[in-house]
Amino acid sequence: ETGVTQSPTHLIKTRGQQVTLRCSSQSGHNTVSWYQQALGQGPQFIFQYYREEENGRGNFPPRFSGLQFPNYSSELNVNALELDDSALYLCASSLGVGQGAGTQYFGPGTRLLVL
Amino acid sequence: QKEVEQNSGPLSVPEGAIASLNCTYSDRGSQSFFWYRQYSGKSPELIMSIYSNGDKEDGRFTAQLNKASQYVSLLIRDSQPSDSATYLCAVNNYGQNFVFGPGTRLSVLP
Repeated sequence: ETGVTQSPTHLIKTRGQQVTLRCSSQSGHNTVSWYQQALGQGPQFIFQYYREEENGRGNFPPRFSGLQFPNYSSELNVNALELDDSALYLCASSLGVGQGAGTQYFGPGTRLLVL
Repeated sequence: QKEVEQNSGPLSVPEGAIASLNCTYSDRGSQSFFWYRQYSGKSPELIMSIYSNGDKEDGRFTAQLNKASQYVSLLIRDSQPSDSATYLCAVNNYGQNFVFGPGTRLSVLP
């Protein structure tokens, strides 16, 4: 167990809807990264939050947005859901930046199905 | 475009053998390298991290890094059926720009 929790575990939505996924980071960690993992592929970096500020973003459209709260928990919001958004969404927490600080520990993930 | 490449497999090895997993990366600025194991339907689990050229051993696992060749490998000695999983190679620059490879599926045959 990494101490990183995510909710919900599973979610079914229809195309065009909006979804919010939540993540609580490991105690002492101030950085949260979000990934999308389609079936049979490696995780794709969505964005990272460090001390409540976005600290890097992957190649995802603006309808993917996020927040980090003062307790370092985080939300991922996806608007106007598309069928291709169906995937496992992973949250990973880490301690800041710098050598050794990049080690990321993953939560159990949220499996999203868009119909 | 920063890329991490791995053979998708499946890589099949008999129980007790050495499994060798390879990874190459495109960004010469990468500083940190990680191997994760992912069982089907589960999230990635950290196995090893390596930052300097050479070998790093942890139990049955050895990570090898060659920055000049932009190459990282993972050796699993005395492979067990419980090692059957997908192994993900990941690289980043001091916590930023985390890039994962597609993963190599390993099957250890009893």
